[in-house]
Amino acid sequence: EAGVAQSPRYKIIEKRQSVAFWCNPISGHATLYWYQQILGQGPKLLIQFQNNGVVDDSQLPKDRFSAERLKGVDSTLKIQPAKLEDSAVYLCASSLRRGSSYNEQFFGPGTRLTVL
Amino acid sequence: QKEVEQNSGPLSVPEGAIASLNCTYSDRGSQSFFWYRQYSGKSPELIMFIYSNGDKEDGRFTAQLNKASQYVSLLIRDSQPSDSATYLCAVTQAGTALIFGKGTTLSVSS
Repeated sequence: EAGVAQSPRYKIIEKRQSVAFWCNPISGHATLYWYQQILGQGPKLLIQFQNNGVVDDSQLPKDRFSAERLKGVDSTLKIQPAKLEDSAVYLCASSLRRGSSYNEQFFGPGTRLTVL
Repeated sequence: QKEVEQNSGPLSVPEGAIASLNCTYSDRGSQSFFWYRQYSGKSPELIMFIYSNGDKEDGRFTAQLNKASQYVSLLIRDSQPSDSATYLCAVTQAGTALIFGKGTTLSVSS
């Protein structure tokens, strides 16, 4: 079974530039998550999708971050414009379904973003 | 604000010893509890999950849950240098995203 795929793996940009990340979840997984992990901290949820609908985006800085999940499969996360504090690893995760007490999430390799 | 607290460490143990990692959480509605291991530069990988009070064992790993005390722990028996990593505690309610602690760094010396 193929895991969660993400690209690019690394990205270096200057502040105020734009950047986009792509995620392909495990086949058949209805729920997709984007997490931000700043160095020395645990991952923090940015947005959760169920199929192609948004379940939770309460912690997404909507003035600069946007995300979509077209056709309920792949997802893209965009930052425009980037700030220095956006330097982090962006992790995509997927799980089979929502609504069960056991909800194992599988993580992709992450995209390491450096904003200069 | 739902929070998960972990001692950041580092926790240092000699090879063959028992490593004990602890976690507390603030949301009494939390239903499922996870331990992830994260090697430097890698993404988190699931070690164990638990959702009933008591102990759950899997090989060298034992997860312990006490919902009354809002406390979760992970014991690693016969610690190996390859266990050196950051261990993330995470909690969730049904169908919601994981809330992670900051992680505890474990160092196992040979």
